[in-house]
Amino acid sequence: GESVGLHLPTLSVQEGDNSIINCAYSNSASDYFIWYKQESGKGPQFIIDIRSNMDKRQGQRVTVLLNKTVKHLSLQIAATQPGDSAVYFCAENSGTGNQFYFGTGTSLTVIP
Amino acid sequence: NAGVMQNPRHLVRRRGQEARLRCSPMKGHSHVYWYRQLPEEGLKFMVYLQKENIIDESGMPKERFSAEFPKEGPSILRIQQVVRGDSAAYFCASSRGALTYEQYFGPGTRLTVT
Repeated sequence: GESVGLHLPTLSVQEGDNSIINCAYSNSASDYFIWYKQESGKGPQFIIDIRSNMDKRQGQRVTVLLNKTVKHLSLQIAATQPGDSAVYFCAENSGTGNQFYFGTGTSLTVIP
Repeated sequence: NAGVMQNPRHLVRRRGQEARLRCSPMKGHSHVYWYRQLPEEGLKFMVYLQKENIIDESGMPKERFSAEFPKEGPSILRIQQVVRGDSAAYFCASSRGALTYEQYFGPGTRLTVT
């Protein structure tokens, strides 16, 4: 029979453009969120985090936006560079449980 | 300050053998988490340990999988009688405190069951 596999959402951007990666979360009780970057063959690397009492947080070239009303999180990367090519995951936890729940990830490809 | 260390990086086992995956947390971290990642999927939580204690193992399969974090030495994830479906990347993360602290990930162990 035919097999159906999971395919990561993909995003391709030109070098120098801004990238926006989106994530929807399901638990309205989640109060801490992290964005991770994972390069091929490596472990996830922390990029930026945000707590639910904030709606925006900025780092170096990255901004995370949190919209609790629609349970949506986004990661904005300014002036995207080839080294930004990777899979990006959002992770959430409720603060009461012991787990982080990871999204399936978005594969970002930067075109030189 | 060394990061989270995992070994081996690659492990090949035949069906029915045992797999032992090791994780040394970052210095000063006493909280360890194990995750499993299948190709093109996100990380799935398996177990959360604090020195000598299992805090949450709700993500661990009921059979063949076990984890420990002894007072001395690395955390060990043990898979007995491996099957092909156990083939995956296994990542460990450590943190200074409970879940409100950032988790730092190791490079992972890629387990292949033949």
